[in-house]
Amino acid sequence: DAGVIQSPRHEVTEMGQEVTLRCKPISGHNSLFWYRQTMMRGLELLIYFNNNVPIDDSGMPEDRFSAKMPNASFSTLKIQPSEPRDSAVYFCASSGQGYNEQFFGPGTRLTVL
Amino acid sequence: AQSVTQPDIHITVSEGASLELRCNYSYGATPYLFWYVQSPGQGLQLLLKYFSGDTLVQGIKGFEAEFKRSQSSFNLRKPSVHWSDAAEYFCAVGLTSNTGKLIFGQGTTLQVKP
Repeated sequence: DAGVIQSPRHEVTEMGQEVTLRCKPISGHNSLFWYRQTMMRGLELLIYFNNNVPIDDSGMPEDRFSAKMPNASFSTLKIQPSEPRDSAVYFCASSGQGYNEQFFGPGTRLTVL
Repeated sequence: AQSVTQPDIHITVSEGASLELRCNYSYGATPYLFWYVQSPGQGLQLLLKYFSGDTLVQGIKGFEAEFKRSQSSFNLRKPSVHWSDAAEYFCAVGLTSNTGKLIFGQGTTLQVKP
């Protein structure tokens, strides 16, 4: 199994631009999680999906952030417009039915100038 | 509310010395418990997990952890630390649901002295 796949691995953009991060979960997993990690705030859960349905988006910082999961094998996290304070590493993770073990992707390092 | 506390933000040990990283949780039901490790520039990797049964669980890379219900703790141990163990370690508790959500602690950064 290829594990959780995230793209791009690195993204550098300018303030005000739209940023789209992508995630492919492990095949057969039915829960998907988006996290943000910074030195100041540590690891934060932004949103998670179960069977492609958003369950809890209370961690999404503001309306500039949105996430979708159109099917079981793909999810996106979009920031529009981006701001320098959005600079962080964004992780995607997935887990299977009935289990809490999460498998993490390698992360996307986002830099907003 | 569920929570996980890792009291030590940063720990330094000498190579070859023993290690114990502390983790305390707050959760009303029997928890699922996890330790993850994150090397610099990498994602989180599962070290070990406790679901039920034997309270001493073995993980990868020579790590073990012991679940103590009376102390609400799940401390991570290793008898002899290697320089490659330098990383950040996260304790997490899983909610007894089918959604897979985990509550993570703040993390402990381990530095290994030669």
